[in-house]
Amino acid sequence: GESVGLHLPTLSVQEGDNSIINCAYSNSASDYFIWYKQESGKGPQFIIDIRSNMDKRQGQRVTVLLNKTVKHLSLQIAATQPGDSAVYFCAENRRGGGADGLTFGKGTHLIIQP
Amino acid sequence: DAGVIQSPRHEVTEMGQEVTLRCKPISGHDYLFWYRQTMMRGLELLIYFNNNVPIDDSGMPEDRFSAKMPNASFSTLKIQPSEPRDSAVYFCASSLYRAGTEAFFGQGTRLTVV
Repeated sequence: GESVGLHLPTLSVQEGDNSIINCAYSNSASDYFIWYKQESGKGPQFIIDIRSNMDKRQGQRVTVLLNKTVKHLSLQIAATQPGDSAVYFCAENRRGGGADGLTFGKGTHLIIQP
Repeated sequence: DAGVIQSPRHEVTEMGQEVTLRCKPISGHDYLFWYRQTMMRGLELLIYFNNNVPIDDSGMPEDRFSAKMPNASFSTLKIQPSEPRDSAVYFCASSLYRAGTEAFFGQGTRLTVV
């Protein structure tokens, strides 16, 4: 079946280190992917997106990599800060067979160690 | 713009009661989504609207759930009768362009059914 899932439910990193959050997707027809950040008590907040015709996209301190061969998505956060502590979701734009809305993975909880 | 506005932020109700959640999308956004978030199932798309018209409600769990969008600036999600398993955080999101891209989320309504 179609799914979006995350490899690790919790990731703990030292402040200042780089963080890498991974995501696997199974629908090869998906053409758009987004990373969201959700802080406690808040709604998901858009971080960065990437389309299937790209394999890398950079933002401010964040980079998203897309490997369509193995259906893998990753979010890299450089120089992790305390404010980066949150749950991170990858989401895909699913085409066909149902809702044309974003489908979210379970989320990875990023914990920043001082 | 103040972003997507949801009300109430918290709702506690007794089993069997009717619950109405409200959402005001970002002005000018043509798409509105209702999501439900639980620890077990993560973020699930319930229904979405395009230009006030429901496009896909395949995510609505049961007939007890209904959603309306009487105009471009207001939507409701109603549960009647409510059950304890409906306890979750319900998010409303809106987007400007095609379904699912760059969706902006509200702060959510935390529903507890006792």
